[in-house]
Amino acid sequence: DTGVSQDPRHKITKRGQNVTFRCDPISEHNRLYWYRQTLGQGPEFLTYFQNEAQLEKSRLLSDRFSAERPKGSFSTLEIQRTEQGDSAMYLCASSPPGTGGHGYTFGSGTRLTVV
Amino acid sequence: RKEVEQDPGPFNVPEGATVAFNCTYSNSASQSFFWYRQDCRKEPKLLMSVYSSGNEDGRFTAQLNRASQYISLLIRDSKLSDSATYLCVALNYGQNFVFGPGTRLSVLP
Repeated sequence: DTGVSQDPRHKITKRGQNVTFRCDPISEHNRLYWYRQTLGQGPEFLTYFQNEAQLEKSRLLSDRFSAERPKGSFSTLEIQRTEQGDSAMYLCASSPPGTGGHGYTFGSGTRLTVV
Repeated sequence: RKEVEQDPGPFNVPEGATVAFNCTYSNSASQSFFWYRQDCRKEPKLLMSVYSSGNEDGRFTAQLNRASQYISLLIRDSKLSDSATYLCVALNYGQNFVFGPGTRLSVLP
């Protein structure tokens, strides 16, 4: 499979627990993005990596959220002390350099439910 | 005010109809624009890019008006399989996408 892979597909957690999601981008893509999508809304940008460097973070990314891409390949998104408002689809996307958005590919997402 | 705005719909149209979606954006520095399609509980997938000169792909036509900061998508001869949410997207300087809330389309038999 040469697409963007996300794991797990679904996660149910109790409020207050920590969760971690993983994203494996397309191997030639040096840019990796995380988005969050709630019901009835479009995806909202969270953060973006170019190789291992985290270049931009949205103000939506509160202190409870942290993202890493340690070797410039896969990335993890951790949410600490989850709240019910964190329930959403978390989408990862990757793109190659210099394509101006045309090479964007999304993964299937991780659906988080906080109970 | 959201940076990219769309009428959320739903648009309920019969098969064969022509339907048009509109989108406005507020950031005049946005570089590129796209229409994405999203099926229920799936990831967004690129439908087409949007250019000032217009872009046509089969039954789909997209248009950008930079002066009015307005984007459109026209679907001709609607099919049942066109039922989905259509997301208007702007690419900003930082290379992240800004999505509109989406317009829901239901094509009815």
